[in-house]
Amino acid sequence: DIQMTQSPSTLSASVGDKVTITCRASQSISTYLNWYQQRPGKAPKLLIYVASTLESGVPPRFSGSGSGTEFALTISGLQPEDFVTYYCQQSYSTPYTFGQGTKLDFK
Amino acid sequence: QLHLQESGPGLVKPSETLSLTCTVSGGSIISSSFYWGWIRQPPGKGLEWIGNIYYSGSTQYNPSLKSRLTIEVDTYNNQFSLKLTSVTAADTALYYCASIEVTGGWYKLEYWGPGTLVTVSS
Repeated sequence: DIQMTQSPSTLSASVGDKVTITCRASQSISTYLNWYQQRPGKAPKLLIYVASTLESGVPPRFSGSGSGTEFALTISGLQPEDFVTYYCQQSYSTPYTFGQGTKLDFK
Repeated sequence: QLHLQESGPGLVKPSETLSLTCTVSGGSIISSSFYWGWIRQPPGKGLEWIGNIYYSGSTQYNPSLKSRLTIEVDTYNNQFSLKLTSVTAADTALYYCASIEVTGGWYKLEYWGPGTLVTVSS
């Protein structure tokens, strides 16, 4: 199985900040990397697919980058509703594993 | 826009079989653009990919669950289902169904059901 490691596990920030969450794959996955946002008690929501393509309707303050084994999700100009949990997922090979999650909380 | 809804028992006894159904509306399950998948999340923990199915019946399973897992599709009722046998407390989780768009070579979990909590307990 491909292991996905996110860092940090928790990230403290303030409204308006720019933050970056990283995701590392245990082997190369090209750009087969998705990012999801999950609010408490809700299903995950797709933000970015194939590493850098913004899903329709997702605000442009979210961006993704990377290829191979190193990936990043950047949120520029944090809004109050962004302080939730984020997951990466590789879609290179089954089982399509997720990172352990990064919780964004208020500083 | 697709809408997915999970249904099934919220409580299952240890060693018994967990059975869930996902009903798809707003589009046909017979689509070359989509797979149909299951993901679970133990309380307070992260996400685990369970497996997926194509309308033709072709499946992909998580090897960690494969010996206990069956995913089937019912094209007549626009549904797909999950059966997990010999459950233990470790199978207690929020179970989600999702549509997986594969057009263009990617694999993205695009539409999700709200999830259903299944507790394994006697």
